[in-house]
Amino acid sequence: LAKTTQPISMDSYEGQEVNITCSHNNIATNDYITWYQQFPSQGPRFIIQGYKTKVTNEVASLFIPADRKSSTLSLPRVSLSDTAVYYCLVVQNTGGFKTIFGAGTRLFVKA
Amino acid sequence: NAGVTQTPKFQVLKTGQSMTLQCAQDMNHEYMSWYRQDPGMGLRLIHYSVGAGITDQGEVPNGYNVSRSTTEDFPLRLLSAAPSQTSVYFCASSSSGPVFTQYFGPGTRLTVL
Repeated sequence: LAKTTQPISMDSYEGQEVNITCSHNNIATNDYITWYQQFPSQGPRFIIQGYKTKVTNEVASLFIPADRKSSTLSLPRVSLSDTAVYYCLVVQNTGGFKTIFGAGTRLFVKA
Repeated sequence: NAGVTQTPKFQVLKTGQSMTLQCAQDMNHEYMSWYRQDPGMGLRLIHYSVGAGITDQGEVPNGYNVSRSTTEDFPLRLLSAAPSQTSVYFCASSSSGPVFTQYFGPGTRLTVL
């Protein structure tokens, strides 16, 4: 399984766009990139998943370049409630599964 | 749907005691897994199951047992609790694809004295 590297923490202000980049140099052909959000005292919550190019949903966008060795989670116009830890995972999508959660990126949104 | 439920929410054990953490899901998901999260750290996979009767070890399986007799339930057993097992335990379930999305329970906070 490919390990991921992402910044330990980031600060932002309300209303700004936040981009969190994750590197996964050893990603395999069958792997997908998945992002989760975790608030204190709660389990992680799925945000978005993608394989290549760009994926967008009502919460975020995920940008994946052609070589797939990195990805960027984009949160448009963050609010105080977006303060959380964000995890980038590389997930096998064939047969059985194992996932590795790194330490994540702690995003702190200020007023 | 209740999603993924875990009981108890909190538990305090003494060293050497055993207990079972319960996990249930009502989404008919094939895959279930157990993670532990230590303070300030990410989640580490303990055991997982790809279907009833099938389990396998994750990254940190020592000191824990699992079984999967039904699709809905995936209990985690601590055989002889140790202080190093003080952690927050999360159970998750997911369908087999094509988009692999895990749904997590609210967690069990375990303290071993």
